[in-house]
Amino acid sequence: AQKITQTQPGMFVQEKEAVTLDCTYDTSDQSYGLFWYKQPSSGEMIFLIYQGSYDEQNATEGRYSLNFQKARKSANLVISASQLGDSAMYFCAMREALRRDTDKLIFGTGTRLQVFP
Amino acid sequence: SAVISQKPSRDICQRGTSLTIQCQVDSQVTMMFWYRQQPGQSLTLIATANQGSEATYESGFVIDKFPISRPNLTFSTLTVSNMSPEDSSIYLCSVEQGQGPYNEQFFGPGTRLTVL
Repeated sequence: AQKITQTQPGMFVQEKEAVTLDCTYDTSDQSYGLFWYKQPSSGEMIFLIYQGSYDEQNATEGRYSLNFQKARKSANLVISASQLGDSAMYFCAMREALRRDTDKLIFGTGTRLQVFP
Repeated sequence: SAVISQKPSRDICQRGTSLTIQCQVDSQVTMMFWYRQQPGQSLTLIATANQGSEATYESGFVIDKFPISRPNLTFSTLTVSNMSPEDSSIYLCSVEQGQGPYNEQFFGPGTRLTVL
């Protein structure tokens, strides 16, 4: 079963507008973490934001916020005031326990965001 | 956050040859991870590398094809052996930083490999 689902292969947004990128997840763990990464065309993976399963407040980092709805198992990324430089692939990821001494990130298939003037 | 560098940044290789990718971190880390991203795809974990022990490989990846070294807490190498065009991918190393269950995870800039 797919653990992380990103249903939007591509999104368009006009500069200065807000955009929401969807992410749903599936886990039976009580303790887990959710991540969003940005991957520009250069290929590097840029960490954006993190949400822990026990965090009561939604995570925010500058123009990025994570709309965490635990009961619905969703962790949508909201980018406010979009900029042309936000055009990139965006990946949602979840950390679940792999072994007692470590864990691994499981990635969604990504959403390609294009910001137009 | 950890600063991670990888060498080479990209390479074009012939079928049947091998390439070793280096990953250097600016701080000591316990766990290092190697991921593969095939063209147009998401990231897949190849293996987890602890210093001083054998790497642990994910299903579908074997040590003979992807040998890994982890000689110290700041460095690791991944070798892609006997390459075929199907190995053309971006290879990324990654490290965890933090305490407890809420470790952040950072990635290197990646190595873009093309196999002809």
